[in-house]
Order: sequence, then C-alpha cells, then structure tokens
Amino acid sequence: QKEVEQNSGPLSVPEGAIASLNCTYSDRVSQSFFWYRQYSGKSPELIMSIYSNGDKEDGRFTAQLNKASQYVSLLIRDSQPSDSATYLCAVIGNTGFQKLVFGTGTRLLVSP
Amino acid sequence: DGGITQSPKYLFRKEGQNVTLSCEQNLNHDAMYWYRQDPGQGLRLIYYSQIVNDFQKGDIAEGYSVSREKKESFPLTVTSAQKNPTAFYLCASRGGPKNIQYFGAGTRLSVL
Repeated sequence: QKEVEQNSGPLSVPEGAIASLNCTYSDRVSQSFFWYRQYSGKSPELIMSIYSNGDKEDGRFTAQLNKASQYVSLLIRDSQPSDSATYLCAVIGNTGFQKLVFGTGTRLLVSP
Repeated sequence: DGGITQSPKYLFRKEGQNVTLSCEQNLNHDAMYWYRQDPGQGLRLIYYSQIVNDFQKGDIAEGYSVSREKKESFPLTVTSAQKNPTAFYLCASRGGPKNIQYFGAGTRLSVL
C-alpha cells in the first residue's frame, strides 16, 4: 500500500463546476497536510495547508481533513481553465524529523 | 526576494561527464531536498539534508552525490554512474512555524 494515494485522473470538469480531488494516507500519526499545484513543465507551488480536522477555505479553494478516515480532499469552486494542472497531495508525520510524502498527483482538466 | 534559486534552468550532459546542479535558498530553512521527476511521473526523493554538514540518501540516491557545507546551499552532482539522468530536478527547502516546504523552479537535465 502506498503511503499517500491519489487517483491519477484525468478528472475532467466543465468551467464553473466544482472540482473535487481526494487523497488517502496510511500513517495514522500524520499531522500536517498540503496541496500543491503543478503546471506542466513547472515546479509545484503550495496552494493549501491544513493541520486540524474540518474545512479550511481560501478563496475558491477548500481543503477538508478527516483524520479518523485518513483522507484529505481539495475542492475547487467555480473551476477555471487556468486551474488545469496536476494537484499533488503531501503528508508529514509528527514524530521526529519526517519527510514530506507526496502522492503521484491527480491531473485536472477544466474545459471552457 | 525570498526563495529558492536553482541554476541552470537547462543543462546538457555528455557521456561520462559529471554535472552539478545548484540550489540556493534564503529562507533560513534547515531542511533541504532534491527530487527527480520523470515525464508524467511523481516526485522521487534523491537526497535530503536536515542540517549543515549532514545529509541522507533518499529513495533513488545511486549515481548522485550532494554536499551541505552551508545552510543556504545544497548542490547536487549527477555522476557518470547515473545512466539515465534525463529528468526534471527539483530542489526544495522546508522550515518556518508551519513547516512549509517550498520548491525552486527546477533544472531540466538532458543527455547529449
């Protein structure tokens, strides 16, 4: 079992719709969770971080964390063609020095 | 501007040649990382360093070497032992109160 799992996609949504990206993780002691966006040929950029159960909203983005079920999701409201990218979920534990563990990413395609 | 600077942006390696990729950060982060990304693939960890003068192998360290003589700098050498070096190389650093990891713009390495 992979430590962080994401559906590779592509996830196709029409412009204006809500895109829902999901991620599950295996390490129960994980405490910090991140979503990165990576455009083709570019480096990943952080778009959201979440540390406690519940929802965290930032503009059109909402991160949702459920530690009991070991999943974290990212919702993108009013999706735009410029949101088309690969979204990487990353997780870090809470014991000593922990490397950030990345999922392989979900490719999102937003059609005009 | 604060951030992570990778150079060069593009690099070409000849058969049997060692090449060095530069990574400099001014974020005052203790931890630094090197990742390799192949087309359509996820991030694979090559080496990481938690502190000056200390570094550890990641998942795919064979054919690579690093040094960490200064907090700001973490250069990666791709040696002639790495038989398939063509990839996108990403340097990252992590730190601060929220333990956020940031990426440089990347170096694209090709073989002549």
